[in-house]
Order: sequence, then C-alpha cells, then structure tokens
Amino acid sequence: GQNIDQPTEMTATEGAIVQINCTYQTSGFNGLFWYQQHAGEAPTFLSYNVLDGLEEKGRFSSFLSRSKGYSYLLLKELQMKDSASYLCAVTDSNYQLIWGAGTKLIIKP
Amino acid sequence: NAGVTQTPKFRILKIGQSMTLQCTQDMNHNYMYWYRQDPGMGLKLIYYSVGAGITDKGEVPNGYNVSRSTTEDFPLRLELAAPSQTSVYFCASSYSDSISGANVLTFGAGSRLTVL
Repeated sequence: GQNIDQPTEMTATEGAIVQINCTYQTSGFNGLFWYQQHAGEAPTFLSYNVLDGLEEKGRFSSFLSRSKGYSYLLLKELQMKDSASYLCAVTDSNYQLIWGAGTKLIIKP
Repeated sequence: NAGVTQTPKFRILKIGQSMTLQCTQDMNHNYMYWYRQDPGMGLKLIYYSVGAGITDKGEVPNGYNVSRSTTEDFPLRLELAAPSQTSVYFCASSYSDSISGANVLTFGAGSRLTVL
C-alpha cells in the first residue's frame, strides 16, 4: 500500500529552527509537496520538490532524497504564527496525490 | 479574485437527510477536487474533475455524488447522510505552476459537517 509518515506533533521555541521529516512509500514518484494548515483553516501551498536537493524559500526550506523516500521541511527563525500543521503529500505514478496525516507544530515563547 | 468559495461553513444533518455542498472558483482552473479531512488522517480524495462535463471517483466516493456543468462550479451531494460522513470537507482547484510544473492546489475554507 501507499504510505506517508510524519511525526504527529512537534514543539519548538520562538526564534529557533525546526526540521519536520516525511518518509514515503508510494507506487512511483512525481513530486512532493508541503502545505501549511492553521487550525480551522484551509491548507496553503508551501513548497514543491521533484528533484533531489534543497529548495529554499525565505525562512522555509524543503529537502528531498528520492532514493531514500525522504523529505524534510526546515523552518528557521520561528515565529508564533508558524504554529500550524504541516502536511506532506506525494504525487504517485498515476499523478494521484497521497497525503500524510500532518505534523502539528507548537511554538512556545 | 475570491479564489475557491465553499458554502456552507457549518451544517448539522440528521441521519438520512440529503444536502449539497457548494463550491465555486473564479481562477479558470480546469481541475477541481473534493477532499474530506478526519482527525489524525491525511486528506482523502472523494471525487475530482478534469474539466466541465468530466468527473471521476477518488479514494472514498461511496455516499457522495458530484457534477461539473461549468468550469466554475463543482457541487458535492450527500444523498443519505450517515454518521461516518461527519468530517471537514475541502473543495480545491489546481493550476500548473509555470516554472516548476507542479500541480498546485488552492483550497476553499472548508465545510464542517456533523451527522447526528
């Protein structure tokens, strides 16, 4: 079966750095997405990786290793507004999007 | 642009009742989707559409129906509501990013449905 694993919850301190991991086992691979979802709101697009390596976008970076079935989202200079759930999703060989359950990130002052 | 608009935001149904969740987008996106989100689980695809007049089942279509008569509108119908359909429903549309080629989803604000 197809599977995406992420930690359920993480806690970090304002101003610090946090890394949210995502491992996947899917039938084929055509790209990996990270979305941010604040409580009670809709998911919003953060990043996309299709080739191995690091994609940097301001305070957020996303890394992909296709051979290891692994990605991480790196958040720097954490702010209170970064408290949210972070959803990892993979596009499989049929271009269907498979979603992880999300990682709830709690930021403490 | 309003983006993706869903109504209603909240609804309580009795078992066996029917209702339609409305979804409309003003971005001229061809692809539209309905997802449900349950606590502790990833988003599950109910139905999707690649364009007006074309719809396809997703992972969890049972108990739902959709139609796509126009590019803008993609309503989701629950015919006989069951407690298992208590969930948060998201409508989304997607575009292909011109630089990365990624199929990026834009979501509506969600509809919280409770079936009692």
